Amino acid sequence: AQTVTQSQPEMSVQEAETVTLSCTYDTSESDYYLFWYKQPPSRQMILVIRQEAYKQQNATENRFSVNFQKAAKSFSLKISDSQLGDAAMYFCAYRRSDQAGTALIFGKGTTLSVSS
Amino acid sequence: KAGVTQTPRYLIKTRGQQVTLSCSPISGHRSVSWYQQTPGQGLQFLFEYFSETQRNKGNFPGRFSGRQFSNSRSEMNVSTLELGDSALYLCASSLGDPNTDTQYFGPGTRLTVL
Repeated sequence: AQTVTQSQPEMSVQEAETVTLSCTYDTSESDYYLFWYKQPPSRQMILVIRQEAYKQQNATENRFSVNFQKAAKSFSLKISDSQLGDAAMYFCAYRRSDQAGTALIFGKGTTLSVSS
Repeated sequence: KAGVTQTPRYLIKTRGQQVTLSCSPISGHRSVSWYQQTPGQGLQFLFEYFSETQRNKGNFPGRFSGRQFSNSRSEMNVSTLELGDSALYLCASSLGDPNTDTQYFGPGTRLTVL
């Protein structure tokens, strides 16, 4: 069974600084998708970034980028120029690429606090 | 385009009762998935409906059921509520193509069982 592990329950960063959230996963599949979701105190889950396993290039969305290491099964999220609005719980998620695997498997989450 | 909507946003029930939660997906999305979020277990997949058929199911007891209508709206039902069913229930919609899919979440329904 696939598993997703986020080893940092809490992280903190100062405004304008850079922070990296870690995620590792376990799977025997060769093709799959990885996601980072953000859940602010309002509880609305928001997609931050998505990575296809077959793509070598790391995904980037504005201030958010990932470091995808397929062999190491590692998928970290880097937030640059952190803003107060980035404070939230961040979840790493895995999904298989076939029809039987549309379910997202989530890590336990990392709570990020941002100070001014 | 309107996002995923869930109703009601908050519910309080007592043990033994049953409850129905509703989810309206983003227009054009044919897949609806349900997740349970608790502090102890985190986010867990309940089931997914695609074109009115259950396509995937998580490891939850039969008290948890769902259905999807022809307009892609979905309902989730929990019968004989237990204290441990208290959770945030999240619904996510997507186009339903595993090769390209991204799930978009609704705001959730907070269920409290007393």
